[in-house]
Amino acid sequence: AQSVAQPEDQVNVAEGNPLTVKCTYSVSGNPYLFWYVQYPNRGLQFLLKYITGDNLVKGSYGFEAEFNKSQTSFHLKKPSALVSDSALYFCAVSAYGQNFVFGPGTRLSVLP
Amino acid sequence: DAGVIQSPRHEVTEMGQEVTLRCKPISGHNSLFWYRQTMMRGLELLIYFNNNVPIDDSGMPEDRFSAKMPNASFSTLKIQPSEPRDSAVYFCASLLLPGNEQFFGPGTRLTVL
Repeated sequence: AQSVAQPEDQVNVAEGNPLTVKCTYSVSGNPYLFWYVQYPNRGLQFLLKYITGDNLVKGSYGFEAEFNKSQTSFHLKKPSALVSDSALYFCAVSAYGQNFVFGPGTRLSVLP
Repeated sequence: DAGVIQSPRHEVTEMGQEVTLRCKPISGHNSLFWYRQTMMRGLELLIYFNNNVPIDDSGMPEDRFSAKMPNASFSTLKIQPSEPRDSAVYFCASLLLPGNEQFFGPGTRLTVL
């Protein structure tokens, strides 16, 4: 069975600084990995995904994530945080594109 | 495409009443998911369908909850009878298998008094 861990409930970062939101996973078989963002009173929005290929994946709004197979991690990063990036971020994993499991979410606060 | 459509957006009802939430997935998608989100429990998968067939309903909390997908363009989640602890935001999501991302609807905020 798949599982996802997001070890930090909350991440605080100053505007303009780089940000990292951590995600580790467990899955049998090839992992399909996803990041979603949720703004207040909205549904989850897709940011980026890793299926195969280059370990560094670029997505929406300047976000990127690095797939690390040996560490079973898929951390979300952005070189320079914006106040508008403040939101709830979810990591998700599926095996072969099915049986999705979402992490508990990490609340990102970008301070001006 | 209008995206995933959910109705109603808000529902306030009294304990014991029947509640029906509706979802229209994105045209052409072949998989549909129902989630519940609360502050205490986070995002929970309730049930998902592939090609209109329920695949995994292990997340449905109890027999009061039921979900149907009579065709590729419509699904319902029903709670009968509703209880205050069912108060949550219920999301529907769809995707095109395999290997693609889920698209989420805006959610239905349910309040059971």
